[in-house]
Amino acid sequence: DAKTTQPTSMDCAEGRAANLPCNHSTISGNEYVYWYRQIHSQGPQYIIHGLKNNETNEMASLIITEDRKSSTLILPHATLRDTAVYYCIVRVLISSGSARQLTFGSGTQLTVLP
Amino acid sequence: EAQVTQNPRYLITVTGKKLTVTCSQNMNHEYMSWYRQDPGLGLRQIYYSMNVEVTDKGDVPEGYKVSRKEKRNFPLILESPSPNQTSLYFCASSFSQGAANTEAFFGQGTRLTVV
Repeated sequence: DAKTTQPTSMDCAEGRAANLPCNHSTISGNEYVYWYRQIHSQGPQYIIHGLKNNETNEMASLIITEDRKSSTLILPHATLRDTAVYYCIVRVLISSGSARQLTFGSGTQLTVLP
Repeated sequence: EAQVTQNPRYLITVTGKKLTVTCSQNMNHEYMSWYRQDPGLGLRQIYYSMNVEVTDKGDVPEGYKVSRKEKRNFPLILESPSPNQTSLYFCASSFSQGAANTEAFFGQGTRLTVV
């Protein structure tokens, strides 16, 4: 799976949009971008994933650049409960080789401030 | 409700005393895995299973065993726990790669302390 680079930490004011960047410059054509988050010591929670088109669900939006070398997770109206570590992961969905699936990096600690 | 259930949530044990952490999912997922999480090292995969009776090593399998006799259950076994296995453990499940919905569901974690 391709390596990702994320900022170590970010702050965001409550009610504002939180934009979390991720660089994945070595991403392959068949690798998807996944985002998970982990609220302190709880199990990671799936947020969203995409291949090349922008995606939106009830939790967030995912913007992937045209060259697919980076992406941004957007939480449109951050709340205090969105304070968590956010992980950007790239991986293939269909593979005849390794099935290890999710490889977590260090992630970004997002702190939503009141 | 779709969920992954781990038990126990907290466990303190002594070195060398065999223990099992159970994991059960109710989503008919083929794929299940175990992770451990340690400060500064992040989440690392211990073992995974593609389906019943199919298991394989992850990145840090030493000192652990798993079994997959039923689709819903994937217990993690520590035959002779040591203090370096003190950690926060997570079980996860998902449909296999290639399926439409491949997001992983995680349990709430088991905090294990080996003294």
